[in-house]
Amino acid sequence: SQQGEEDPQALSIQEGENATMNCSYKTSINNLQWYRQNSGRGLVHLILIRSNEREKHSGRLRVTLDTSKKSSSLLITASRAADTASYFCATRSYNTDKLIFGTGTRLQVFP
Amino acid sequence: GAGVSQTPSNKVTEKGKYVELRCDPISGHTALYWYRQSLGQGPEFLIYFQGTGAADDSGLPNDRFFAVRPEGSVSTLKIQRTERGDSAVYLCASTSIGKAGLYEQYFGPGTRLTVT
Repeated sequence: SQQGEEDPQALSIQEGENATMNCSYKTSINNLQWYRQNSGRGLVHLILIRSNEREKHSGRLRVTLDTSKKSSSLLITASRAADTASYFCATRSYNTDKLIFGTGTRLQVFP
Repeated sequence: GAGVSQTPSNKVTEKGKYVELRCDPISGHTALYWYRQSLGQGPEFLIYFQGTGAADDSGLPNDRFFAVRPEGSVSTLKIQRTERGDSAVYLCASTSIGKAGLYEQYFGPGTRLTVT
């Protein structure tokens, strides 16, 4: 079963705007990861945030984690048409090495 | 190799047939994962190998599904008596263990299985 719920399910923006996606999960986690997927095939790891971290940056990406609310957000700043893809959060719990993925957000960036 | 590879990229089979899906992980990665992704959904965990042994097979939906990794490298996912509901993209990933035991998973391009 999928643990994560993401919203919005779909997001359409213009190039240059910021895109924010949210993820909620159900159980205690060791870390939370964000992945990107183009055309329904291979996923690419974007960023990992540990349970004891609250914010992390990587280039145009900013991830926040609120373990008290069991939620995370991914912010993509100054979006580009090439950012068009589906974005998934995935959580890893302490007692397992598997990832539990969310339902995903489909991002469309118009030039 | 440079990345995780999966073969075939597409597989069409008839209901009731047997299929094998192959995954070649990144060289040196000890952990290998199988996921299944249905249209419009996120990947769903199936099974995870640490070396040759299945460390967690809790995601396998039923006994028609089986996976092996006999030499701790290549893995094969086997599906017996396929059903139309098995149609999905099957994703394989391997893990690089970083500092503090954190894991980011490297995914292959997937095998799209269609059961007619």
